[in-house]
Amino acid sequence: RKEVEQDPGPFNVPEGATVAFNCTYSNSASQSFFWYRQDCRKEPKLLMSVYSSGNEDGRFTAQLNRASQYISLLIRDSKLSDSATYLCAVSSSSASKIIFGSGTRLSIRP
Amino acid sequence: EAGVAQSPRYKIIEKRQSVAFWCNPISGHATLYWYQQILGQGPKLLIQFQNNGVVDDSQLPKDRFSAERLKGVDSTLKIQPAKLEDSAVYLCASSPTGDEQYFGPGTRLTVT
Repeated sequence: RKEVEQDPGPFNVPEGATVAFNCTYSNSASQSFFWYRQDCRKEPKLLMSVYSSGNEDGRFTAQLNRASQYISLLIRDSKLSDSATYLCAVSSSSASKIIFGSGTRLSIRP
Repeated sequence: EAGVAQSPRYKIIEKRQSVAFWCNPISGHATLYWYQQILGQGPKLLIQFQNNGVVDDSQLPKDRFSAERLKGVDSTLKIQPAKLEDSAVYLCASSPTGDEQYFGPGTRLTVT
């Protein structure tokens, strides 16, 4: 079993739709969680950290479910510019190795 | 604030040749990472430095890959000799805290 798993997609949704991705992790001792966005042929960029209480940044909401060992990313009112690959990342403690999932591809159609 | 700098951006070499990549992290970031990203996969950590000490190099193929971080700032990653399966994007990232990471633009390596 991979340490961090994501549905590769692609998710193809119309503009304005709401879309959600999950990311599961196998190490119950994991403490830090992140979502990164990666555009085609570009480097990953931090989208948001995921806190135990969940957090929201505009149209993006991230949540953590420790009991089931997954994190989620919800995108509301999707825009064409949201088309990208979304990578989740997990580490067991601060300054320890961060493990990335393989990413979920999202394509927003007009 | 300047971001993470990497060079070269692209490199094409033949198998069995050697190649080196350079990274300059964001000023003041103590932690530096080298990742390998193969097409369609997430970044895979090769080596992590804290200042100029190695924190984790468990996934670095040490028979052909080497890395150093000079004076706790710049870093170089070397492959010698290269194999076809080394074709990938090599990403450097830095972090002030060891959590949130900031990536450079990467070096796209093609081994023929």
